[in-house]
Amino acid sequence: QSALTQPASVSGSPGQSITISCTGTSSDVGRYNYVSWYQLHPGKAPKLMIYDVTNRPSGVSNRFSGSKSGNTASLTISGLQAEDEADYYCSSYSSSSTFGVFGGGTKLTVL
Amino acid sequence: EVQLVQSGAEVKKPGESLRISCEASGYRFTSYWVGWVRQMPGKGLEWMGIIYPGDSDTRYSPSFQGQVTISADKSISSAYLQWSSLKASDTAMYYCARAVGMIGAPYYFDYWGRGTLVTVSS
Repeated sequence: QSALTQPASVSGSPGQSITISCTGTSSDVGRYNYVSWYQLHPGKAPKLMIYDVTNRPSGVSNRFSGSKSGNTASLTISGLQAEDEADYYCSSYSSSSTFGVFGGGTKLTVL
Repeated sequence: EVQLVQSGAEVKKPGESLRISCEASGYRFTSYWVGWVRQMPGKGLEWMGIIYPGDSDTRYSPSFQGQVTISADKSISSAYLQWSSLKASDTAMYYCARAVGMIGAPYYFDYWGRGTLVTVSS
C-alpha cells in the first residue's frame, strides 16, 4: 500500500479540465510544501511536471498546475489534450521516511 | 541538456547476479544525488535508494537495504544498481533519476532515465 492515496483512474474529454488528488498525512503532504508530480508514458522517461506543490519546471505547459489544502495535494490539467493521457504519480517529502514517498498512481484517460 | 541513459533490458535466472547502469551527461555528475526507483509490473513507484557521486554517500530505503547495492563511478559519470542473487520478485522496471531538493535530503527527481526492464525467470 502506497504512502499517499491517489484515485486509480480519472478521465476527461479533450478541452476539459481534470483534477487528480493526492492525500497524505500531517507527516508528509500536510507538513511540507514539498509535493511533486510526475507523468509516465509507456516507453518514455518519466517527466517532472510540478515540484514544491505549485512550481512548473521549464518546458512544462502552463495547462498543468498544482495546489494543496491540508493533507491533500492536487494536480489540475486544463484544456485536456490526447497527449496528456498517461499515468500520473504524486510524491512528497516525509518526516517518517528517509526519502520522499510516492502515491499509488492515477491513470488519466482522454476520452 | 541533462540526460540519463540506462543500460538495456535484461533477462536473468533466479540466483544470478546483475548490474545495471545509468550514464549521466549534461551536468556536473558529482554535484547531484542520483536515485533508483522500482516499478513492479502493474504497480506504483518506489524509492530504492540514492547516492551522491561526489563522496559516494549512499542511502537505502529500509525495504531495499541489504537487497541491492548502489554505486557510482564518477570518472565515467555512471551510477549502478546491483544484485548478487536475483529473485523472481525482482522482476520490474528500474529507473534512475537525478534527485534534488534540500541539501543533503533530496526529495524529488527532476530528470529521469527511460528505465531498464529486468526479468527474472527460470
